[in-house]
Amino acid sequence: NAGVTQTPKFQVLKTGQSMTLQCAQDMNHNSMYWYRQDPGMGLRLIYYSASEGTTDKGEVPNGYNVSRLNKREFSLRLESAAPSQTSVYFCASRKRWDRAYYWDQPQHFGDGTRLSIL
Amino acid sequence: QQPVQSPQAMILREGEDAVINCSSSKALYSVHWYRQKHGEAPVFLMILLKGGEQKGHDKISASFNEKKQQSSLYLTASQLSYSGTYFCGTEIGIQGAQKLVFGQGTRLTINP
Repeated sequence: NAGVTQTPKFQVLKTGQSMTLQCAQDMNHNSMYWYRQDPGMGLRLIYYSASEGTTDKGEVPNGYNVSRLNKREFSLRLESAAPSQTSVYFCASRKRWDRAYYWDQPQHFGDGTRLSIL
Repeated sequence: QQPVQSPQAMILREGEDAVINCSSSKALYSVHWYRQKHGEAPVFLMILLKGGEQKGHDKISASFNEKKQQSSLYLTASQLSYSGTYFCGTEIGIQGAQKLVFGQGTRLTINP
């Protein structure tokens, strides 16, 4: 199994350009997430989708949009890239919540997309 | 809503014990712990659930103080492979809400 696949792995953009980061999971998970990681800031939640057909804002949604295309795919779009959005972006997924097996419901992360905006 | 971790960084010798703390100002439903090596994705360690039984593995365990909204990760007799950045992630309030928010991380360096 591939798990969570993110594309591209690296990207350089100019200020004002737009771009979509792609994420797909093959584990039949219900929930999907987008995080950004900056030095000293940890993983900050941008948007998440608790189930197919729903999306919700996280801690730092400004400047981003998301689409839950289907159960497998969750994309992140930067409409007008800014240097402050230079970061490593991680997508993650998680199975449907079941309290009886809570210890076996981690988030699975992709390998990340390293995005630089000049 | 981001949980606060302490310390921000620590350096230990192989074989020493480490404790990493995670606290929240909100009522927690669950706490997740992950470890990340440089340049890699975070890797799951364990989940602690409000009212649930602790789960751990090998020499890594954790506690969850529901009254104080705090969790601590314990690394016993640390190994070189334990080096990395540790993150706690918290879910607030609603069961199954699935919104997981991470702390800023604790960088752990294990020296021979």
